[in-house]
Amino acid sequence: AQSVTQPDIHITVSEGASLELRCNYSYGATPYLFWYVQSPGQGLQLLLKYFSGDTLVQGIKGFEAEFKRSQSSFNLRKPSVHWSDAAEYFCAVGPPFGNEKLTFGTGTRLTIIP
Amino acid sequence: EAGVTQFPSHSVIEKGQTVTLRCDPISGHDNLYWYRRVMGKEIKFLLHFVKESKQDESGMPNNRFLAERTGGTYSTLKVQPAELEDSGVYFCASSERPNDYEQYFGPGTRLTVT
Repeated sequence: AQSVTQPDIHITVSEGASLELRCNYSYGATPYLFWYVQSPGQGLQLLLKYFSGDTLVQGIKGFEAEFKRSQSSFNLRKPSVHWSDAAEYFCAVGPPFGNEKLTFGTGTRLTIIP
Repeated sequence: EAGVTQFPSHSVIEKGQTVTLRCDPISGHDNLYWYRRVMGKEIKFLLHFVKESKQDESGMPNNRFLAERTGGTYSTLKVQPAELEDSGVYFCASSERPNDYEQYFGPGTRLTVT
């Protein structure tokens, strides 16, 4: 069965510092990969997605993620975080065919300190 | 364009009672998904509608949960009778086309069963 692991439940970084959120997945084949963000009171918003091709994916809000097949990882990065990036981040996988049934990780809550 | 809306935003009920959650997808979106996040755990897929038909209901936990989408517009998710373990946040998402993974999520309904 497919699964997604986000090993960090909570991360605190200083404003302006770099960020990396980890995501590992277990899947029968190479799935489609996603990062979502949920700000307080908001729905989940898609940051970026990877289907195929270039393994470094650019997303919205200055985020990027790198797919590493050998490590079954899809880590999210941002070179310099802003206070508005404080939110909860979810990594997800989905089948490359079928009905867009997403499997999510448990999320990483990001706190930004001045 | 209005996003996905969910009602209520928060519901507190006693064990054994009935609760109905509502989701209004983005107009024109044939695909509608329900997900649930139990406290501290991952977001889990419940089911997928294509218009008024249930495409995949493999994630529905048991027969106390009933989802409907009459007329292919809004959807309701009824829990009857509610149990303590049903507490969590219920998310709805919609998409226009299948297999492009452009799911738009609502803010969720937080259900607390006491």
